[in-house]
Amino acid sequence: QQPVQSPQAVILREGEDAVINCSSSKALYSVHWYRQKHGEAPVFLMILLKGGEQKGHEKISASFNEKKQQSSLYLTASQLSYSGTYFCGTERKTSGTYKYIFGTGTRLKVLA
Amino acid sequence: EAGVTQFPSHSVIEKGQTVTLRCDPISGHDNLYWYRRVMGKEIKFLLHFVKESKQDESGMPNNRFLAERTGGTYSTLKVQPAELEDSGVYFCASSLLADPPTEQFFGPGTRLTVL
Repeated sequence: QQPVQSPQAVILREGEDAVINCSSSKALYSVHWYRQKHGEAPVFLMILLKGGEQKGHEKISASFNEKKQQSSLYLTASQLSYSGTYFCGTERKTSGTYKYIFGTGTRLKVLA
Repeated sequence: EAGVTQFPSHSVIEKGQTVTLRCDPISGHDNLYWYRRVMGKEIKFLLHFVKESKQDESGMPNNRFLAERTGGTYSTLKVQPAELEDSGVYFCASSLLADPPTEQFFGPGTRLTVL
């Protein structure tokens, strides 16, 4: 039941765009996006709570589709600092409790 | 404000030995999570505390792993006896108890190597 992310890995040139998808077989309560650099802790990027919601911060934005089973992270005009592994963290609410699972991860490398 | 702290940062032990990892969450955060990341793979959920209670421990691999959170403050994760496949980076995260949920703040992790 782990959400599947695609692509598994991507290499970009500085300034190029990328899209990372996170798909679940079941409806989600929320989606969190994190970036983890090698040897460091995951860093929170954003959280989406409602179907149809879109959020953005500088050149990174995300959407959460209406059926709440998929989220996409958009990286625009990528910078070297964007390199790392991106994880979606998903929450399902079952019987009043939240179950939190991370996606399979997408490794992103931005080249100069 | 202090972030999530974990101790030790690295631990190297031999198969069969015992190791205890500690996590101090951000003050006031009732939610505390333990995760493990094996090199190059996904972040795997281990368990979730709400205050001192185990809300969800479905990710714990087996009974060699024991997590506690006495008093609802810091938490410990004990591995006894350790096996080779237990190697990885163990992350702790904390968040406010809220609905809808808020972001999780991660600690720097403990890198465990079992030889």
